Amino acid sequence: DAGVTQSPTHLIKTRGQQVTLRCSPKSGHDTVSWYQQALGQGPQFIFQYYEEEERQRGNFPDRFSGHQFPNYSSELNVNALLLGDSALYLCASTTRDRRFTNEKLFFGSGTQLSVL
Amino acid sequence: EDKVVQSPLSLVVHEGDTVTLNCSYEVTNFRSLLWYKQEKKAPTFLFMLTSSGIEKKSGRLSSILDKKELSSILNITATQTGDSAIYLCAVNDYKLSFGAGTTVTVRA
Repeated sequence: DAGVTQSPTHLIKTRGQQVTLRCSPKSGHDTVSWYQQALGQGPQFIFQYYEEEERQRGNFPDRFSGHQFPNYSSELNVNALLLGDSALYLCASTTRDRRFTNEKLFFGSGTQLSVL
Repeated sequence: EDKVVQSPLSLVVHEGDTVTLNCSYEVTNFRSLLWYKQEKKAPTFLFMLTSSGIEKKSGRLSSILDKKELSSILNITATQTGDSAIYLCAVNDYKLSFGAGTTVTVRA
């Protein structure tokens, strides 16, 4: 049983560019959340998708947007990249009945984004 | 804004030692507190705590919540080198707010 898979594993971009990160949830999961983890910090919540809609959002600017597809996979898009966007981007999935408790949240191994 | 503070930031112990990690929080709508272990990249779930004073145990790991003091501790007894990781505390108020983590290094 595949867990949460993310692609790519590493990415290098330059300031001002746009990036798309991808996530496939664990089998049987339908709710996907995205987190940003800067070096030496804990993950910060970006947003959560359920039933193809953004349900909750953290304190991130509109440059950060997302999408969820009918097969529950998700994309995170970041426009006009800044140096400060360099971080590990983690995707996490769960089932609809746990989308508020966040119990048994399964994380992927992340995409390491470097902005030069 | 929700705030989660972990201490210490890092510690180094020898195999067989016991470690105690601390987590304190200030959140608007507390629902639960969760502990994760992060080795390399993907955090893995350890415990979820909702009630004060009830200890949760899993092997050599245990954790307890004190809602009066707005804090939690995670204990690891008889540490092994495989316990070396970043331990993250998170508070759930419908979304997870994480602390910065405690880096534990266990030396053989």
